[in-house]
Amino acid sequence: GESVGLHLPTLSVQEGDNSIINCAYSNSASDYFIWYKQESGKGPQFIIDIRSNMDKRQGQRVTVLLNKTVKHLSLQIAATQPGDSAVYFCADPGGSNYKLTFGKGTLLTVNP
Amino acid sequence: NAGVTQTPKFRILKIGQSMTLQCAQDMNHNYMYWYRQDPGMGLKLIYYSVGAGITDKGEVPNGYNVSRSTTEDFPLRLELAAPSQTSVYFCASTTPGWGLNTEAFFGQGTRLTVV
Repeated sequence: GESVGLHLPTLSVQEGDNSIINCAYSNSASDYFIWYKQESGKGPQFIIDIRSNMDKRQGQRVTVLLNKTVKHLSLQIAATQPGDSAVYFCADPGGSNYKLTFGKGTLLTVNP
Repeated sequence: NAGVTQTPKFRILKIGQSMTLQCAQDMNHNYMYWYRQDPGMGLKLIYYSVGAGITDKGEVPNGYNVSRSTTEDFPLRLELAAPSQTSVYFCASTTPGWGLNTEAFFGQGTRLTVV
């Protein structure tokens, strides 16, 4: 079936460094992608999203890049802080069928 | 504004017991979802609903049932609990039509252990 997935299960960075979290998707018809952050013991929280007609979208300290040619997207976090430590998921609503599906996730650990 | 409320937060069930996980949202969202999250894994979609009276299966529906009699509530029923259903369950809701900045709001989760 169609799915989204992540390249790396864990990522450890130093405070102040930039972080890059990657995600591959398989459904070439996917129109919309979302990044979520899940802190320990909590539900996922929306970070940023992007539509398939965009290559890049920026938020506060975060940037999402979309490469439709290789079906890959990435989340870049600038000046990573300890509060950024969490699991990050990319997700795909699957176009018109409304099924919001998630990849396995990347655990980001920020070292002080 | 309470958002998405799940009850209970924790529950221990014996094999073969039944229970209902409650989910309520006060944002008038049409779309609601149930996920399970096993340790170290992503969220797997169990069931979803696009409005009152309409439900559909997700990726892992076996062993679960849902109903959607109102816009606000989307309960998840486990009829014969099995150890494989030990997991953290999340409910989510969102407005129709995925577009930029369309958030899916998640509850805090229900941690279920089947022994």
